[in-house]
Amino acid sequence: DVKVTQSSRYLVKRTGEKVFLECVQDMDHENMFWYRQDPGLGLRLIYFSYDVKMKEKGDIPEGYSVSREKKERFSLILESASTNQTSMYLCASSPDRGRRYFGPGTRLTVT
Amino acid sequence: DQQVKQNSPSLSVQEGRISILNCDYTNSMFDYFLWYKKYPAEGPTFLISISSIKDKNEDGRFTVFLNKSAKHLSLHIVPSQPGDSAVYFCAASARGNTGKLIFGQGTTLQVKP
Repeated sequence: DVKVTQSSRYLVKRTGEKVFLECVQDMDHENMFWYRQDPGLGLRLIYFSYDVKMKEKGDIPEGYSVSREKKERFSLILESASTNQTSMYLCASSPDRGRRYFGPGTRLTVT
Repeated sequence: DQQVKQNSPSLSVQEGRISILNCDYTNSMFDYFLWYKKYPAEGPTFLISISSIKDKNEDGRFTVFLNKSAKHLSLHIVPSQPGDSAVYFCAASARGNTGKLIFGQGTTLQVKP
């Protein structure tokens, strides 16, 4: 079974803090993704990566950055957290163009 | 610009009956479609997919239908069970654009015992 783990299930941070969300997958997948899920908006792609040290912007990259130093690990960084970044963050990995394997999600609240 | 739309935010059906979840898309370059199911406090899990070379794909109680001319796909669940109660997302991708799996807004299905 593919396993995607995320470092925290729930996080509460203050406005302006730097926030790190970690994601690890154990299936040697090339592709990794970060999404956020908001009511009525579905899942929106923030950033993705096809290989180590490689990253590409998704649909809503503003206010975020990513890091992929190792194949199994993909980190999402909020440089200066804002209240509009309160959301459910979902990491996923994939061996190909279609199917994504998602982690359990991190519910981030920025106050 | 919502390229993948699920126009029904919620759906309620009786156990044992058919559930039909709908999804419309606007991008004619989409050639691969997927459905995901999501329970609260869990990540989405893959349910079923279909390539544009087909118009139907079946897996147990789940069938996905694709109508390319109408740019419409639907997920049929027969018979519906209370454990099927979840949020369902459709998603689409275009050939040569592996990073861009575009998701719909989701439909919350409630199956009543």
